[in-house]
Amino acid sequence: GAGVSQTPSNKVTEKGKYVELRCDPISGHTALYWYRQSLGQGPEFLIYFQGTGAADDSGLPNDRFFAVRPEGSVSTLKIQRTERGDSAVYLCASSLIAGGTNTGELFFGEGSRLTVL
Amino acid sequence: GDSVTQMEGPVTLSEEAFLTINCTYTATGYPSLFWYVQYPGEGLQLLLKATKADDKGSNKGFEATYRKETTSFHLEKGSVQVSDSAVYFCALDAVGTSYGKLTFGQGTILTVHP
Repeated sequence: GAGVSQTPSNKVTEKGKYVELRCDPISGHTALYWYRQSLGQGPEFLIYFQGTGAADDSGLPNDRFFAVRPEGSVSTLKIQRTERGDSAVYLCASSLIAGGTNTGELFFGEGSRLTVL
Repeated sequence: GDSVTQMEGPVTLSEEAFLTINCTYTATGYPSLFWYVQYPGEGLQLLLKATKADDKGSNKGFEATYRKETTSFHLEKGSVQVSDSAVYFCALDAVGTSYGKLTFGQGTILTVHP
């Protein structure tokens, strides 16, 4: 498809389990972002990749959260030892970077809804 | 740190009514400002943006003007349609980053009745 694709769309897990969420960005977009959206709140920035490297991971809440983008395209957000407070919608977005500056438009996927019981 | 505050929702209007959704921000310097919209069952998408003071962003009949003096970026539309029913998010791009590290408001749910 032409848009940002995220899988799974829904994930229910038990406290303490490990979870992986996948993002397939728009082809040709070098910038990739993960955001987290809790119920009734706006999205909160987690991490930004430019190519394969994490250029800004200042939004990751703690060391249980980790993200990779090994080939500069698909990204995986990994959460270890999940807690109930991790329940949220995890959003992925991609964008074009032109001349070192974001064009001002992020393209978001529909999100992965994570529920930790 | 940077923050964005949107008017409390939800907002319910009749078709062809005038819409205003208030947005104010706190940031160091002069950030870029955005309105994103999320239609039911879809991902967030950019509605409009403004990158400097007094700029007006517009799209699909919606407008917002970057007001530095009041640190505001209120969204307006003169005549709403049922198809405008969605969640609207005001956001800013952190000054000094320019790579899409956005700070969002909490969102305003808009419902338009025929």
